[in-house]
Parts: sequence; C-alpha cells; structure tokens
Amino acid sequence: TQLLEQSPQFLSIQEGENLTVYCNSSSVFSSLQWYRQEPGEGPVLLVTVVTGGEVKKLKRLTFQFGDARKDSSLHITAAQPGDTGLYLCAQGGSNYKLTFGKGTLLTVNP
Amino acid sequence: GAGVSQSPSNKVTEKGKDVELRCDPISGHTALYWYRQSLGQGLEFLIYFQGNSAPDKSGLPSDRFSAERTGGSVSTLTIQRTQQEDSAVYLCASSGQIQETQYFGPGTRLLVL
Repeated sequence: TQLLEQSPQFLSIQEGENLTVYCNSSSVFSSLQWYRQEPGEGPVLLVTVVTGGEVKKLKRLTFQFGDARKDSSLHITAAQPGDTGLYLCAQGGSNYKLTFGKGTLLTVNP
Repeated sequence: GAGVSQSPSNKVTEKGKDVELRCDPISGHTALYWYRQSLGQGLEFLIYFQGNSAPDKSGLPSDRFSAERTGGSVSTLTIQRTQQEDSAVYLCASSGQIQETQYFGPGTRLLVL
C-alpha cells in the first residue's frame, strides 16, 4: 500500500496570508486527488491531477503535481476563514478505492 | 439533488454490543464505499460494492465487521461485539459513471464506551 505523507500536520494563519501544504510519496502516483473536509462533514473533492508537472487553479487555490508524479502541493492565496478545514490528498487504487494521507488541519483566523 | 445520506449521525454504544450503520447513496450510483476515519489513523478504506459483483472486503479490520448492500442501493455496515478501538467516524461514499469521483456522506460518529 502506497503511503502518503502530508505536511504540515497543523497550520494556523491569519486571514490574508498565503500558505502551501504538501503531499509526498516514495512511489509514483498514477493520479492524485485533493479533498477538503469541514467539521461534521465528509470530504469534498477539490481536484484530480494526472499529468506530471500539471498545474490546476480553482479560484484562490493552486494545485501542482510534481514532474516525477511523486509529490503534489496545494497553495492558497489570501486565505479566508472559509478555507478552514482538513485538507487531504488521496491516491486511487484498484476498484478506485482511495488511500488517504493523514491530512493538514488548516485554521484561518479572522 | 440529494447527496449521500447516513444514519444515525451519532451513535453511542457499550462495549460488546452490536451496531448497524446505514448509507443511502446518490440515486443511480452503482459504486458504494465505506471508509473509517479515526484519530491517528486517518481515513481508511473498509469495503467496496459495485453493482452485482462480489464486494471488495479487503479493508475490513476483523471478522466482526460486515456489510451488505440490498437491491444495489442502501448499504448497512454492521459491527458485532464492538470494542473501544472501533470508535471512529464511519464514512460512506458513492460514485457513478466517473468512478474517480466519489461523493461522501457526512458520516456516523461512533463512540464505544
């Protein structure tokens, strides 16, 4: 089973700051997904990256997939309190079952 | 449209009792997954159903855990003789034509005393 390491584990910042969180593996990803989970809710898919070097943008969120497809990052510009949540990366396996990292818990303070 | 729903939202039980957790997937979705989210372990796959095929049970942690899916829709996860380490959030997800996109329910928070 491929292990996904996410860093940092916890991140607390002020509204308006920028931040980057990371997802790494010792093995190559076929594809990688990023999810956000808010308290009391299930994870919600943000993006799927497939191609090495790929960059995807979703409003203030920028997702990068490393050239070697062994790492990915999520950058948030001008963070807002609504960005608060647990950010998870996940790798799909056989039968599309997902293997998740342990996540980065982000708190954006007003 | 309606998303994935799960019931109960919270369940407190005593060690040794059996519990049943229910998942109603999005209408028309043929694939259904159960995951468990616990402190320290993160989100772990438990079991996968796809149509009428035999389920993939490779993630079930012990034979106390079982699941069924009736009529290709509603699924029930049963934990027998619950233990304190079973305390976790149990999440259900379903997917349709695009199997890479899974839609999660809000989860059932299980506390075993």
